[in-house]
Amino acid sequence: GESVGLHLPTLSVQEGDNSIINCAYSNSASDYFIWYKQESGKGPQFIIDIRSNMDKRQGQRVTVLLNKTVKHLSLQIAATQPGDSAVYFCAENISGGGADGLTFGKGTHLIIQP
Amino acid sequence: KAGVTQTPRYLIKTRGQQVTLSCSPISGHRSVSWYQQTPGQGLQFLFEYFSETQRNKGNFPGRFSGRQFSNSRSEMNVSTLELGDSALYLCASSLVVLGSFMNTEAFFGQGTRLTVV
Repeated sequence: GESVGLHLPTLSVQEGDNSIINCAYSNSASDYFIWYKQESGKGPQFIIDIRSNMDKRQGQRVTVLLNKTVKHLSLQIAATQPGDSAVYFCAENISGGGADGLTFGKGTHLIIQP
Repeated sequence: KAGVTQTPRYLIKTRGQQVTLSCSPISGHRSVSWYQQTPGQGLQFLFEYFSETQRNKGNFPGRFSGRQFSNSRSEMNVSTLELGDSALYLCASSLVVLGSFMNTEAFFGQGTRLTVV
Protein backbone atom coordinates (compact mmCIF):
# COMPACT_ATOMS: atom_id res chain seq x y z
CA GLY A 1 0.00 0.00 0.00
CA GLU A 2 0.91 3.65 0.09
CA SER A 3 3.70 4.65 2.39
CA VAL A 4 2.37 8.14 2.54
CA GLY A 5 -1.29 9.02 2.42
CA LEU A 6 -3.71 11.87 2.90
CA HIS A 7 -6.89 11.81 4.92
CA LEU A 8 -9.15 13.74 2.52
CA PRO A 9 -9.22 13.75 -1.27
CA THR A 10 -10.99 17.13 -1.37
CA LEU A 11 -10.98 20.07 1.02
CA SER A 12 -13.20 23.09 0.47
CA VAL A 13 -12.50 26.31 2.37
CA GLN A 14 -13.70 29.89 2.25
CA GLU A 15 -11.38 32.51 0.86
CA GLY A 16 -9.55 34.17 3.71
CA ASP A 17 -9.88 31.21 6.06
CA ASN A 18 -6.98 29.03 7.12
CA SER A 19 -6.57 25.62 5.47
CA ILE A 20 -5.15 22.52 7.06
CA ILE A 21 -4.17 19.60 4.87
CA ASN A 22 -3.21 16.38 6.59
CA CYS A 23 -0.94 13.52 5.70
CA ALA A 24 -0.18 10.22 7.41
CA TYR A 25 2.93 8.20 6.73
CA SER A 26 3.65 4.65 7.71
CA ASN A 27 7.43 4.32 7.38
CA SER A 28 8.97 5.31 10.70
CA ALA A 29 12.38 5.44 9.01
CA SER A 30 11.32 8.40 6.89
CA ASP A 31 13.08 11.51 8.05
CA TYR A 32 12.56 14.08 5.33
CA PHE A 33 9.18 15.35 4.17
CA ILE A 34 8.13 17.74 1.47
CA TRP A 35 4.86 19.38 0.53
CA TYR A 36 4.16 20.04 -3.11
CA LYS A 37 1.43 22.02 -4.83
CA GLN A 38 0.27 20.99 -8.28
CA GLU A 39 -1.93 23.22 -10.37
CA SER A 40 -3.82 21.92 -13.35
CA GLY A 41 -1.53 21.26 -16.29
CA LYS A 42 1.65 21.92 -14.33
CA GLY A 43 4.28 19.91 -12.55
CA PRO A 44 4.44 19.77 -8.73
CA GLN A 45 5.80 22.94 -7.17
CA PHE A 46 7.91 22.76 -4.02
CA ILE A 47 6.23 24.51 -1.08
CA ILE A 48 8.11 23.62 2.06
CA ASP A 49 10.09 20.79 3.58
CA ILE A 50 10.85 19.57 7.06
CA ARG A 51 13.35 17.17 8.57
CA SER A 52 12.54 14.74 11.33
CA ASN A 53 14.64 16.65 13.87
CA MET A 54 12.08 19.44 13.70
CA ASP A 55 8.43 19.61 14.77
CA LYS A 56 7.49 22.77 12.94
CA ARG A 57 8.70 24.89 10.12
CA GLN A 58 7.25 28.10 8.76
CA GLY A 59 7.36 29.68 5.36
CA GLN A 60 5.46 32.49 3.77
CA ARG A 61 1.80 31.90 4.76
CA VAL A 62 2.53 28.19 5.20
CA THR A 63 3.45 26.09 8.19
CA VAL A 64 4.32 22.42 8.24
CA LEU A 65 3.88 20.42 11.42
CA LEU A 66 5.43 17.02 11.99
CA ASN A 67 4.29 14.63 14.70
CA LYS A 68 6.63 11.68 14.64
CA THR A 69 4.83 9.92 17.47
CA VAL A 70 1.74 9.34 15.38
CA LYS A 71 3.51 9.68 12.03
CA HIS A 72 1.45 12.63 10.94
CA LEU A 73 2.28 15.63 8.81
CA SER A 74 0.16 18.68 8.16
CA LEU A 75 0.32 21.76 5.99
CA GLN A 76 -1.35 24.91 7.21
CA ILE A 77 -2.06 27.70 4.76
CA ALA A 78 -2.98 31.02 6.31
CA ALA A 79 -5.53 33.38 4.77
CA THR A 80 -6.28 31.11 1.83
CA GLN A 81 -6.39 32.83 -1.54
CA PRO A 82 -7.92 31.78 -4.88
CA GLY A 83 -4.41 31.08 -6.16
CA ASP A 84 -4.04 28.39 -3.53
CA SER A 85 -6.50 26.18 -5.40
CA ALA A 86 -4.54 23.11 -6.39
CA VAL A 87 -3.79 19.52 -5.46
CA TYR A 88 -1.41 19.23 -2.54
CA PHE A 89 0.88 16.25 -2.10
CA CYS A 90 3.07 15.23 0.76
CA ALA A 91 6.18 13.23 -0.02
CA GLU A 92 8.71 11.41 2.10
CA ASN A 93 12.29 10.27 1.80
CA ILE A 94 14.81 8.44 3.93
CA SER A 95 18.25 10.00 4.37
CA GLY A 96 21.13 7.70 3.65
CA GLY A 97 18.80 4.86 2.94
CA GLY A 98 19.27 4.90 -0.78
CA ALA A 99 15.52 5.21 -0.86
CA ASP A 100 13.61 4.84 -4.06
CA GLY A 101 13.12 8.50 -4.74
CA LEU A 102 10.28 10.37 -3.15
CA THR A 103 7.19 8.46 -2.05
CA PHE A 104 4.06 10.51 -2.62
CA GLY A 105 0.61 10.41 -1.15
CA LYS A 106 -2.40 10.55 -3.43
CA GLY A 107 -3.06 14.23 -2.88
CA THR A 108 -5.73 16.53 -1.52
CA HIS A 109 -7.58 18.85 -3.86
CA LEU A 110 -7.97 22.22 -2.15
CA ILE A 111 -10.97 24.18 -3.40
CA ILE A 112 -11.35 27.83 -2.47
CA GLN A 113 -14.91 29.11 -2.14
CA PRO A 114 -15.37 32.85 -2.82
CA LYS B 1 17.75 30.80 -13.41
CA ALA B 2 15.94 28.47 -15.77
CA GLY B 3 13.85 25.72 -14.26
CA VAL B 4 13.50 22.10 -15.24
CA THR B 5 12.66 21.73 -18.92
CA GLN B 6 10.88 18.72 -20.33
CA THR B 7 10.25 18.03 -23.98
CA PRO B 8 7.97 17.41 -25.67
CA ARG B 9 5.00 18.65 -23.65
CA TYR B 10 2.52 16.39 -25.40
CA LEU B 11 2.91 13.16 -27.29
CA ILE B 12 0.54 10.69 -28.90
CA LYS B 13 1.82 7.23 -29.73
CA THR B 14 0.37 3.95 -30.89
CA ARG B 15 0.53 0.71 -28.93
CA GLY B 16 3.73 -1.18 -29.61
CA GLN B 17 5.73 1.91 -30.49
CA GLN B 18 8.53 3.31 -28.40
CA VAL B 19 9.00 6.82 -27.08
CA THR B 20 11.84 8.93 -25.76
CA LEU B 21 11.30 11.83 -23.38
CA SER B 22 13.85 14.45 -22.49
CA CYS B 23 14.61 16.40 -19.33
CA SER B 24 17.07 19.23 -18.80
CA PRO B 25 17.67 19.86 -15.07
CA ILE B 26 18.33 23.15 -13.36
CA SER B 27 21.84 24.35 -14.04
CA GLY B 28 24.20 22.86 -11.49
CA HIS B 29 21.86 20.07 -10.49
CA ARG B 30 23.34 16.63 -11.06
CA SER B 31 20.46 14.40 -10.05
CA VAL B 32 17.47 13.74 -12.25
CA SER B 33 14.53 11.61 -11.15
CA TRP B 34 11.61 10.46 -13.24
CA TYR B 35 8.05 9.91 -12.06
CA GLN B 36 4.87 8.63 -13.66
CA GLN B 37 1.61 10.31 -12.67
CA THR B 38 -1.77 8.74 -13.35
CA PRO B 39 -5.19 9.39 -11.79
CA GLY B 40 -5.35 5.88 -10.42
CA GLN B 41 -1.82 5.37 -9.09
CA GLY B 42 -0.77 8.93 -8.36
CA LEU B 43 2.90 9.85 -8.53
CA GLN B 44 5.19 6.86 -8.74
CA PHE B 45 8.96 6.83 -8.81
CA LEU B 46 10.56 5.40 -11.96
CA PHE B 47 14.30 5.93 -11.52
CA GLU B 48 16.97 8.40 -10.54
CA TYR B 49 20.22 9.27 -12.25
CA PHE B 50 23.27 10.98 -10.81
CA SER B 51 26.54 11.55 -12.62
CA GLU B 52 25.36 9.44 -15.55
CA THR B 53 24.65 6.45 -13.31
CA GLN B 54 21.30 5.02 -12.33
CA ARG B 55 21.16 5.23 -8.56
CA ASN B 56 17.69 3.98 -7.75
CA LYS B 57 14.88 2.29 -9.62
CA GLY B 58 11.21 1.98 -8.86
CA ASN B 59 8.92 -0.94 -9.46
CA PHE B 60 8.39 -0.66 -13.20
CA PRO B 61 8.99 -3.23 -15.96
CA GLY B 62 12.16 -3.29 -18.02
CA ARG B 63 10.35 -1.53 -20.87
CA PHE B 64 11.05 1.65 -18.93
CA SER B 65 14.66 2.76 -19.14
CA GLY B 66 16.67 5.91 -18.94
CA ARG B 67 20.04 7.47 -19.18
CA GLN B 68 21.87 10.60 -18.22
CA PHE B 69 24.44 12.52 -20.19
CA SER B 70 27.58 14.28 -19.02
CA ASN B 71 25.75 17.62 -19.00
CA SER B 72 23.18 16.07 -16.60
CA ARG B 73 20.42 16.07 -19.19
CA SER B 74 18.41 12.90 -19.00
CA GLU B 75 16.20 10.86 -21.27
CA MET B 76 13.75 8.15 -20.51
CA ASN B 77 12.57 5.58 -22.98
CA VAL B 78 9.52 3.38 -22.99
CA SER B 79 9.48 0.53 -25.46
CA THR B 80 6.54 -1.54 -26.68
CA LEU B 81 4.02 0.98 -25.44
CA GLU B 82 0.83 -0.19 -23.78
CA LEU B 83 -2.41 1.70 -23.26
CA GLY B 84 -1.69 1.75 -19.53
CA ASP B 85 1.47 3.77 -20.14
CA SER B 86 -0.67 6.82 -20.86
CA ALA B 87 0.32 9.25 -18.13
CA LEU B 88 2.03 12.47 -17.23
CA TYR B 89 5.76 11.82 -16.99
CA LEU B 90 7.53 14.18 -14.66
CA CYS B 91 11.17 14.81 -14.16
CA ALA B 92 12.66 16.33 -11.02
CA SER B 93 16.11 17.77 -10.57
CA SER B 94 18.08 18.14 -7.37
CA LEU B 95 21.62 19.00 -6.35
CA VAL B 96 22.40 15.60 -4.93
CA VAL B 97 20.84 12.16 -4.88
CA LEU B 98 17.55 12.00 -3.06
CA GLY B 99 18.00 9.77 -0.07
CA SER B 100 21.56 10.87 0.52
CA PHE B 101 22.47 12.18 3.95
CA MET B 102 22.23 15.67 2.58
CA ASN B 103 18.53 16.23 2.08
CA THR B 104 17.75 18.41 -0.82
CA GLU B 105 14.79 19.94 -2.51
CA ALA B 106 13.59 18.39 -5.74
CA PHE B 107 12.18 20.69 -8.40
CA PHE B 108 9.81 19.37 -11.05
CA GLY B 109 9.33 20.20 -14.68
CA GLN B 110 5.96 20.70 -16.37
CA GLY B 111 5.89 17.10 -17.51
CA THR B 112 5.27 15.30 -20.77
CA ARG B 113 1.71 14.14 -21.34
CA LEU B 114 1.91 10.80 -23.14
CA THR B 115 -1.20 9.33 -24.69
CA VAL B 116 -1.06 5.81 -26.08
CA VAL B 117 -3.82 4.88 -28.51
